[in-house]
Amino acid sequence: DGGITQSPKYLFRKEGQNVTLSCEQNLNHDAMYWYRQDPGQGLRLIYYSQIVNDFQKGDIAEGYSVSREKKESFPLTVTSAQKNPTAFYLCASSMGTGYQAFFGQGTRLTVV
Amino acid sequence: EDQVTQSPEALRLQEGESSSLNCSYTVSGLRGLFWYRQDPGKGPEFLFTLYSAGEEKEKERLKATLTKKESFLHITAPKPEDSATYLCAVQDSGYALNFGKGTSLLVTP
Repeated sequence: DGGITQSPKYLFRKEGQNVTLSCEQNLNHDAMYWYRQDPGQGLRLIYYSQIVNDFQKGDIAEGYSVSREKKESFPLTVTSAQKNPTAFYLCASSMGTGYQAFFGQGTRLTVV
Repeated sequence: EDQVTQSPEALRLQEGESSSLNCSYTVSGLRGLFWYRQDPGKGPEFLFTLYSAGEEKEKERLKATLTKKESFLHITAPKPEDSATYLCAVQDSGYALNFGKGTSLLVTP
């Protein structure tokens, strides 16, 4: 089945640790995105990538980093510099501007 | 700055009671307006894309319409399984979707 796979579904992080969230797509989409969702806040853009080896910061990029070494993969690292990382993280992909984005099932990150 | 505002924040309907959700937007050059459905703990599921004023799309009990300033998601004779959060997003000349905060819909039997 074609789609977007995020792993893990649940992730627990100790304060001061970096963690990496995985996102893989087999839709052959050029564009990929990371969003953060908090209760009552809607989806906020962290990073996006239009093509391999290129990515841009979104509205809330501080404390996060990404890479895009392969078309199908766009991992997100939540660094210790992110002061409030507990949230629901969503990865998406699309064919590009003007096309709908398809989402993965999300990763819920909790700081313990 | 682009803005997307959805109303109401929450809506409770009885089964069969039709209603509409609103999404108002301000963008400089609309490239597309998108509606999604999101169930608790899941990723958003794509419903519709609208590109120009006057455009309409339908799927089962849902119908989406678009004007130059807002979009409506009409729900006709809803069923309990239509309960979810409905998200609206717009894309302008940028590369990512800008989302509203959503409308939480509860349909009771």
